[in-house]
Amino acid sequence: DSGVTQTPKHLITATGQRVTLRCSPRSGDLSVYWYQQSLDQGLQFLIQYYNGEERAKGNILERFSAQQFPDLHSELNLSSLELGDSALYFCASSPQHFGDGTRLSIL
Amino acid sequence: GIQVEQSPPDLILQEGANSTLRCNFSDSVNNLQWFHQNPWGQLINLFYIPSGTKQNGRLSATTVATERYSLLYISSSQTTDSGVYFCAAGNAGKSTFGDGTTLTVKP
Repeated sequence: DSGVTQTPKHLITATGQRVTLRCSPRSGDLSVYWYQQSLDQGLQFLIQYYNGEERAKGNILERFSAQQFPDLHSELNLSSLELGDSALYFCASSPQHFGDGTRLSIL
Repeated sequence: GIQVEQSPPDLILQEGANSTLRCNFSDSVNNLQWFHQNPWGQLINLFYIPSGTKQNGRLSATTVATERYSLLYISSSQTTDSGVYFCAAGNAGKSTFGDGTTLTVKP
């Protein structure tokens, strides 16, 4: 058990919709990293927050946004969803501690 | 950005065999990790190894930072070792993942 909690585990929605993925970091960790794993793009880093501030940005689309709240949990918001956004979304609270992921399916 | 190449892309072994997986990266990094993704999609961090050698049971890893490669050794492989092995390399919180090596261990 990595101590990183992601909800929901599975999400099914339709094109054009908006969803929010949630991540609670391991106790004591101040960072949250978001990753996307899709069949087309493989695993890629999206964005990192540290203690509420954006720290590093990767290949995150403009339709996606994230934030980290004062209690250190983070939300990844995906809007105007497209079929290609179907993927497994991971968060991590350190390079070594990953959550089990949220599997997003766009119909 | 940093390019990460893994080889071989696929590997099939008989139980009990040894194997070596390779990860080449294109630039200096301060973060190099190996992950195992199991058939259920969970990402398990195996090693955080920006340089040097580490061992954990039947697994060991060596990173030669000056030559920009890392090796993951699996000895006496077991069927539970099956899955995809990813290498991730990067700096300042941003990591690039390779395409992975899919390992199948047959009983």
